[in-house]
Amino acid sequence: DVKVTQSSRYLVKRTGEKVFLECVQDMDHENMFWYRQDPGLGLRLIYFSYDVKMKEKGDIPEGYSVSREKKERFSLILESASTNQTSMYLCATRQGRSYEQYFGPGTRLTVT
Amino acid sequence: DQQVKQNSPSLSVQEGRISILNCDYTNSMFDYFLWYKKYPAEGPTFLISISSIKDKNEDGRFTVFLNKSAKHLSLHIVPSQPGDSAVYFCAASALVYGNKLVFGAGTILRVKS
Repeated sequence: DVKVTQSSRYLVKRTGEKVFLECVQDMDHENMFWYRQDPGLGLRLIYFSYDVKMKEKGDIPEGYSVSREKKERFSLILESASTNQTSMYLCATRQGRSYEQYFGPGTRLTVT
Repeated sequence: DQQVKQNSPSLSVQEGRISILNCDYTNSMFDYFLWYKKYPAEGPTFLISISSIKDKNEDGRFTVFLNKSAKHLSLHIVPSQPGDSAVYFCAASALVYGNKLVFGAGTILRVKS
């Protein structure tokens, strides 16, 4: 059973703060993803990584960066949080070239 | 420009009846389609999928139909149960794009008992 955990379920930060969201998986999957979910927009891909220290931009990378120093851990960084980054953030993993992704429980981030 | 569209934001169905959730896509390169289910405060969980070489896939109460010529797929839930109340996301993928998933906006299903 794949387990994907995210460091916080709920987070409240102030505008301009640096925010770290962490994701850890225990299934040795090569690929990890960060999405944000907003009403009416579905899930949008921010960044993904297919290997340690490798990263690729998704569809909405602006204002975000990522770090993958270990295979099991993928961090999303908001360099200077803004109110329009208030959202549900979801981490996912995927084995190799398969299609199915496994999601963590999500972090509800509010930026005030 | 949304490549995957779920045009019904919500759907309400009586328990025991059929729920039909629809999804349209625009990119003919998509070769695999998935449905995910999401409860509040939880991450999406995989429900069922279909390859573009098939037109139907069934798993218990859930059936996905694919009409490639119309670029349309649908998820049928029969019979619907109150526990099926959730947000359903359609997702599409293509080998040429590294199997990344492109999601629709989601449809909120409410099953009334």
